[in-house]
Amino acid sequence: DTAVSQTPKYLVTQMGNDKSIKCEQNLGHDTMYWYKQDSKKFLKIMFSYNNKELIINETVPNRFSPKSPDKAHLNLHINSLELGDSAVYFCASSQGVNSPLHFGNGTRLTVT
Amino acid sequence: SQELEQSPQSLIVQEGKNLTINCTSSKTLYGLYWYKQKYGEGLIFLMMLQKGGEEKSHEKITAKLDEKKQQSSLHITASQPSHAGIYLCGAGGGGQNFVFGPGTRLSVLP
Repeated sequence: DTAVSQTPKYLVTQMGNDKSIKCEQNLGHDTMYWYKQDSKKFLKIMFSYNNKELIINETVPNRFSPKSPDKAHLNLHINSLELGDSAVYFCASSQGVNSPLHFGNGTRLTVT
Repeated sequence: SQELEQSPQSLIVQEGKNLTINCTSSKTLYGLYWYKQKYGEGLIFLMMLQKGGEEKSHEKITAKLDEKKQQSSLHITASQPSHAGIYLCGAGGGGQNFVFGPGTRLSVLP
């Protein structure tokens, strides 16, 4: 069974469109995250949710809006996509903020 | 905010050789984590270190955290092609946001 799964794996879309990436974890973890990995492979945290509440919101354009319908899900919705949004987006979860993160396989977003 | 640096940026070794990757923090670490990433895949958790001087091993990979808890090393003994990938150190916990180093790209030539 996949512990952290995110869909889709690939997403190609045009500028100005709105898209969503879904993430689900079946580990029973309390905390979920979204990370962005740029072309240089540098990982940066975007958001963190603990028990459906936002606890970290790094400097991210407000076009990005996370939504956590329950503890096992953290979806990422992106409005008015721009070329610079092209990257790989990773979802992760952990049992509290002092535990290792478990990652999904990533969603490669390409904005044309 | 905490920043992590890694060295080297990339590494090419012949199969069977030993190698070391370093991770340095700008602040005292609460927890130091090592991950491996293969192309097109997510990050795989390798090891977590929390105590100064701590050392952990898993198969042919050994990670150490120095006494001051600001530097960690990852050592691979008798490298194999399956070790190839990007190794990232991450730090977090103790109220600090989880951040990653820039990664070290390892290639192992058969």
